[in-house]
Amino acid sequence: EVQLVESGGGLVQPGRSLRLSCAASGFAFHDYTMSWVRQAPGQGLEWVSAITRNSDTTSYADSVKGRFTISRDNAKNSLYLQMNSLREEDTALYYCAKGNWGSPFDIWGQGTMVTVSS
Amino acid sequence: EIVLTQSPGTLSLPPGERATLSCRASQSVSSSSLAWYQQKPDQAPRLLIYGASSRATGIPDRFSGSGSGTDFTLTISRLEPEDFAVYYCQQYGSSPRTFGQGTKVEIK
Repeated sequence: EVQLVESGGGLVQPGRSLRLSCAASGFAFHDYTMSWVRQAPGQGLEWVSAITRNSDTTSYADSVKGRFTISRDNAKNSLYLQMNSLREEDTALYYCAKGNWGSPFDIWGQGTMVTVSS
Repeated sequence: EIVLTQSPGTLSLPPGERATLSCRASQSVSSSSLAWYQQKPDQAPRLLIYGASSRATGIPDRFSGSGSGTDFTLTISRLEPEDFAVYYCQQYGSSPRTFGQGTKVEIK
């Protein structure tokens, strides 16, 4: 079964850090660009970051650039998002999603909730 | 950045009716790289349509997509009870990949 399972979310104070993980199974993880997409409570979808299959190219939304770092470990079929200097506006459900450049997101995880609050 | 504007914000229709959702882009979407997703409460989005008009695996044929350039449409020919949800369009032809704000299809 093709599956993405996120973990690492939680309640964190503004200015602190958090690291999200996404475990992939059921497909050739190393062949695909992977992304993080977030959804604030009651709001729409916002693409956050992407990383190519060999990690040679990463990209970020302007809202997180300089604070978030995406990475992956193909040997462990895992995707990560290091989130530093967190702000209240980063509060959201964070999804990992599979989709090469020029392709849609065809597989999504169930998401992990990040709440930034003092 | 390509901005996608969806209309209407909410569509109230009874089961069995036809639903027509619109997605307009601020500039031309390359190679019709336009997708539609369905999201139900407490669920992740699900890919319905890609390439503006191709149905994803397992998607019923009552869902159809059309359009090119800057104007795209998702049509649900006859609403089933399980179709009441929020629908998002997304362009994936240029970076950043952007989403519309969503259209909620609710039971009338």
